[in-house]
Amino acid sequence: GDSVTQMEGPVTLSEEAFLTINCTYTATGYPSLFWYVQYPGEGLQLLLKATKADDKGSNKGFEATYRKETTSFHLEKGSVQVSDSAVYFCALTTGAQKLVFGQGTRLTINP
Amino acid sequence: GAGVSQSPRYKVAKRGQDVALRCDPISGHVSLFWYQQALGQGPEFLTYFQNEAQLDKSGLPSDRFFAERPEGSVSTLKIQRTQQEDSAVYLCASSQLGQSVYGYTFGSGTRLTVV
Repeated sequence: GDSVTQMEGPVTLSEEAFLTINCTYTATGYPSLFWYVQYPGEGLQLLLKATKADDKGSNKGFEATYRKETTSFHLEKGSVQVSDSAVYFCALTTGAQKLVFGQGTRLTINP
Repeated sequence: GAGVSQSPRYKVAKRGQDVALRCDPISGHVSLFWYQQALGQGPEFLTYFQNEAQLDKSGLPSDRFFAERPEGSVSTLKIQRTQQEDSAVYLCASSQLGQSVYGYTFGSGTRLTVV
């Protein structure tokens, strides 16, 4: 079945550091790929998405590129802020409608 | 409403008790999903509705779990004879028909604790 594997956390960085959270996937069809973010005490929010190979999703300074050849969708940000502290989930969906999530990566940014 | 609303926000149930969790999707959203998120894990799919039709219930973990959406709007997830392993956050999400590839809108979830 379809699956998503994320870089294990927790990840702790200093403010203004460069962030990468790795995500790889396996899918039987041609998936759409997502990053969701869960801030403390809040629900899941869509951060960015990409629906076809080589697409780059971006939002709030975060970026991820859909790499079909390496089945990856790594999340990056050039300069993180304390307010970026949250749990990040990589996910995919195919024609089956449902989302398949990775296990999540907890990110803590220290001032 | 402006977002997906879930109630109650928190629920404590004694083992063996029945519980009902409610989801109000965004008005006009045809697709509705339920997910279960155990502590420290990613959400896992439970079931999917298109209007009132339950098109996929492959993720329901046992026959103690039952979901309905009788009028194609509000949905209820019912868990009978709760067990400790049912303790989790139950998330509801909705999307417009055919738009799931663009992402869903999630509610804040109901945290169920079975004691």
